[in-house]
Amino acid sequence: KAGVTQTPRYLIKTRGQQVTLSCSPISGHRSVSWYQQTPGQGLQFLFEYFSETQRNKGNFPGRFSGRQFSNSRSEMNVSTLELGDSALYLCASSTWDTSGEQFFGPGTRLTVL
Amino acid sequence: QQQVKQSPQSLIVQKGGISIINCAYENTAFDYFPWYQQFPGKGPALLIAIRPDVSEKKEGRFTISFNKSAKQFSLHIMDSQPGDSATYFCAASRGSSNTGKLIFGQGTTLQVKP
Repeated sequence: KAGVTQTPRYLIKTRGQQVTLSCSPISGHRSVSWYQQTPGQGLQFLFEYFSETQRNKGNFPGRFSGRQFSNSRSEMNVSTLELGDSALYLCASSTWDTSGEQFFGPGTRLTVL
Repeated sequence: QQQVKQSPQSLIVQKGGISIINCAYENTAFDYFPWYQQFPGKGPALLIAIRPDVSEKKEGRFTISFNKSAKQFSLHIMDSQPGDSATYFCAASRGSSNTGKLIFGQGTTLQVKP
């Protein structure tokens, strides 16, 4: 089975712009979660989608949003980018049966100038 | 109550030695405790996980020890190898509440010297 794929892998934006990141989960996985990883704050949960519905949300401002499509692919969007949004954005997928195992993609490295 | 505290922040071990990383949590509702391994430029990879109904789980050279009363769990890497040099994260979640939200520790950078 192919793993979780994320596109693009690297992105450079300027303050005030917006960005959309994409995640394709492992085939058969219906749950997709997004995390932000920074050296200072570590890995922080952004949100989770299951069957096209947001099931959980972390403590991030409304500039961060996401959605999930019927094929379980997910996108996250960050509007009005700030310098502090520079981070590795990771997507994780799971079947969400009782196992709870989540599998991460390689991430998208976002740099905001 | 949502925090997971991980220590040490960094660890240097000789090849063949035992690496031990510790984590502590406060939320007693957590019922799923995975460990992830992350190499530079890669996403975290699930290493091993435990649920609170067992006190220990072993997979190859990796063992999780779990102490429910102390709300602590640890990762032991036996016969540590240079290829184990990576950053390790513990995490916790409320798996039984049907949520994918993982709360991560701050990470431990492990260096195994040849």
